[in-house]
Parts: sequence; C-alpha cells; structure tokens
Amino acid sequence: DGGITQSPKYLFRKEGQNVTLSCEQNLNHDAMYWYRQDPGQGLRLIYYSQIVNDFQKGDIAEGYSVSREKKESFPLTVTSAQKNPTAFYLCASSPGTSDDEQYFGPGTRLTVT
Amino acid sequence: GENVEQHPSTLSVQEGDSAVIKCTYSDSASNYFPWYKQELGKRPQLIIDIRSNVGEKKDQRIAVTLNKTAKHFSLHITETQPEDSAVYFCAATNGNNRLAFGKGNQVVVIP
Repeated sequence: DGGITQSPKYLFRKEGQNVTLSCEQNLNHDAMYWYRQDPGQGLRLIYYSQIVNDFQKGDIAEGYSVSREKKESFPLTVTSAQKNPTAFYLCASSPGTSDDEQYFGPGTRLTVT
Repeated sequence: GENVEQHPSTLSVQEGDSAVIKCTYSDSASNYFPWYKQELGKRPQLIIDIRSNVGEKKDQRIAVTLNKTAKHFSLHITETQPEDSAVYFCAATNGNNRLAFGKGNQVVVIP
C-alpha cells in the first residue's frame, strides 16, 4: 500500500472551518488528482495537476483550493464555501498522461457538523 | 465533456457464474478505458484496462471488450468467487489529461 499516502484517515470539523487534506506520493509521478466520492455518485474530479506549480479545476472545484509547490505533494483545502463537504476524498497520481493508470491513496473521510 | 454510464447499478450472481458489466461513453475521441475495483472501505485499484487500438483483453478470469463503433466497453468476470464482491468503476479519457468515471456497479457474489 505504499507509494501514495493520505492523512488523516478520518477528519472531523465544525461547519465554517477550513480544513486541509494531505496527499503525498513517492512514485515520482508528474500528475496528481483529487476526487470526491459520495454514495451512488462514483468518483468526481475536484482538481488536478500535471506539473509542479500548475493545476486545473475539475468538475466540482467550487469551495475547494489546492497547491502544487512540490512534485510529491498536492494538498486539498476544503473551505467554508463548500456547501456539502462531508464526503470521502481520494487522491491519485499517475506518471503523466491520461493514458496512464491512476494510483489511488487510501482516502480521507471528512465529516463536517 | 466525456460522459460515462454504467449498467446495471447492482448485479447479484451465484458463485461460479459469470458477471458482465457494461459501460457506454460519449466522446468518440476517447482512447483509454480502465476498470477499477473498490472493496468496502478501501481504495480503488486498477484490475484491467484497454486501449482503443484493440478489441479485447484478458487477464485470467477477467476480460474487457471494446466496441468503438457503438461506444461501449464491458467487463467480464468468469467463475466468480466471493472475493469478487465489490464496486467496479469504469472510466474513459476525457481530454485535458483526465479520466471520467462511471458511477459504479455493486457486484454481489452469492456463495
């Protein structure tokens, strides 16, 4: 299960607080992704990054922010502007193109009350 | 953008029987189609993938077929076992170096 890690596994926050989810990979992959998983909704792309210091919005970017200052790290901040933040968040990485396998981290389950 | 749909949403099979899950996609330019398996509480893991220059690929009890004309691809699991019970996601390239995922199929193998 090594290669791509996420922490913490479970996270609890009060409504109105920003929270940052960690994602680290030691696979030397160029591309990294953040997905949100809700029951019956599959995997929805929040943000992705192809190279360091560059990232693009996915399908559901509103209320989220990211940074890619290092190749191995792609943290996701869930802001207070995200209306329904409670979900399972998955980070993934791939060598660099859309034709590559994406390797997923173990996920972080965020609960906001 | 790319739209990927999976059918059926839930599939129950008797142990030893075959299971087939079908996905359709909308973008005729899509050229990479992976299948991921996600067990309860765990991360999705790639089980097989196919590229647009081939029509079928097999790996032991698992196979994937691709029909580019009809824009659909299917996952076939033969001789199903209890450990095959999981949620299976199909995906397709979506341009801009990103994948579009289907909503997933819950497969239940009944011993």
